[in-house]
Amino acid sequence: QQQVKQSPQSLIVQKGGISIINCAYENTAFDYFPWYQQFPGKGPALLIAIRPDVSEKKEGRFTISFNKSAKQFSLHIMDSQPGDSATYFCAATNAGNMLTFGGGTRLMVKP
Amino acid sequence: DADVTQTPRNRITKTGKRIMLECSQTKGHDRMYWYRQDPGLGLRLIYYSFDVKDINKGEISDGYSVSRQAQAKFSLSLESAIPNQTALYFCATSDLGAGGETQYFGPGTRLLVL
Repeated sequence: QQQVKQSPQSLIVQKGGISIINCAYENTAFDYFPWYQQFPGKGPALLIAIRPDVSEKKEGRFTISFNKSAKQFSLHIMDSQPGDSATYFCAATNAGNMLTFGGGTRLMVKP
Repeated sequence: DADVTQTPRNRITKTGKRIMLECSQTKGHDRMYWYRQDPGLGLRLIYYSFDVKDINKGEISDGYSVSRQAQAKFSLSLESAIPNQTALYFCATSDLGAGGETQYFGPGTRLLVL
């Protein structure tokens, strides 16, 4: 049973544009929502994370938006750059439990 | 990530052969994981271990086995490799921070089964 659904599977954005990746979860007990970034040939690495007590978290060009009532959260990449081309995974967990990952989104930013 | 190392990085083997993928970590974490990633697809959990005496199956454990030799070492074995086990394999460790679990992934092992 897939508890975290991620869309789209792939995304092409022009340099300078906004990349948006969406995730939806089912388990209302989840209380921690990280995003991981994976470059080709590398393992995923933590990019940014949010807890449900805030609706938005921003770190540089990366922003997580969180909608608790809709059980959805999204990653926005502002001013997307070719160096942002990677696979992005959303994830969710709750106290002490291991992460549940979404299916991943392959982002390509065209110069 | 140099704190989590995987060997070998690349491996070609033949159908029916037994192979072992090894993972070592210097982060001092109790939790370790093995994932499989197929081209264009996400991460699928094979096995996980929360301490040396704890081994648990993930969603796709059939055809795989693991050994947790020490806190720092977690090995994945394919007893009789088959072509559909061709994939990229990742080991990960994790700790529980104030927010929640953070997983730290190794560089991956690319496996080709002929």
